[in-house]
Amino acid sequence: TQLLEQSPQFLSIQEGENLTVYCNSSSVFSSLQWYRQEPGEGPVLLVTVVTGGEVKKLKRLTFQFGDARKDSSLHITAAQPGDTGLYLCAGTGANNLFFGTGTRLTVIP
Amino acid sequence: DTEVTQTPKHLVMGMTNKKSLKCEQHMGHRAMYWYKQKAKKPPELMFVYSYEKLSINESVPSRFSPECPNSSLLNLHLHALQPEDSALYLCASSQVGGTEEAFFGQGTRLTVV
Repeated sequence: TQLLEQSPQFLSIQEGENLTVYCNSSSVFSSLQWYRQEPGEGPVLLVTVVTGGEVKKLKRLTFQFGDARKDSSLHITAAQPGDTGLYLCAGTGANNLFFGTGTRLTVIP
Repeated sequence: DTEVTQTPKHLVMGMTNKKSLKCEQHMGHRAMYWYKQKAKKPPELMFVYSYEKLSINESVPSRFSPECPNSSLLNLHLHALQPEDSALYLCASSQVGGTEEAFFGQGTRLTVV
């Protein structure tokens, strides 16, 4: 089993603040995805990063894949209450999708 | 159509019951997955089907029996479950190989009484 550790596990911030979530592993992944999940729903894909060092932006969200393809980060600028949810990174390999430990984000209005 | 449809959305079953969870996708994906998710935890992989054949079984107890009757459908047959099996069961699908981006259904909330 390839382990993906996310930090922090929980994060509670005020609206308008910036934050970064980290996803780390000792394994190399062919690609890495970030998902957001709301209570009672399935995870929704936000982005896929494939190339080491790649940076992708999705509005206020910036995703980075580490040079060695073992880690990734998600940075949110000016967080809003609608960003509240469980953020999951997931690494792919051997026709499998391994989820990280998750970061539960709460943005307080 | 980028939907993965799971039925039922909610299920309550007794420990002696037999029930099935169903999952359907029409994106032409040839990999389909079952995940189990307990409250406040990330999804845990149970099974992976690739080209309608079981490719991964993550040491799941035999009271869970997966079936992939064709490339669009995935079932999970349940029999003699325990209360600790209560969880959100998620189905996902993806292309085989490549970046393997997965699309998830909304899940079935299962309660075993």
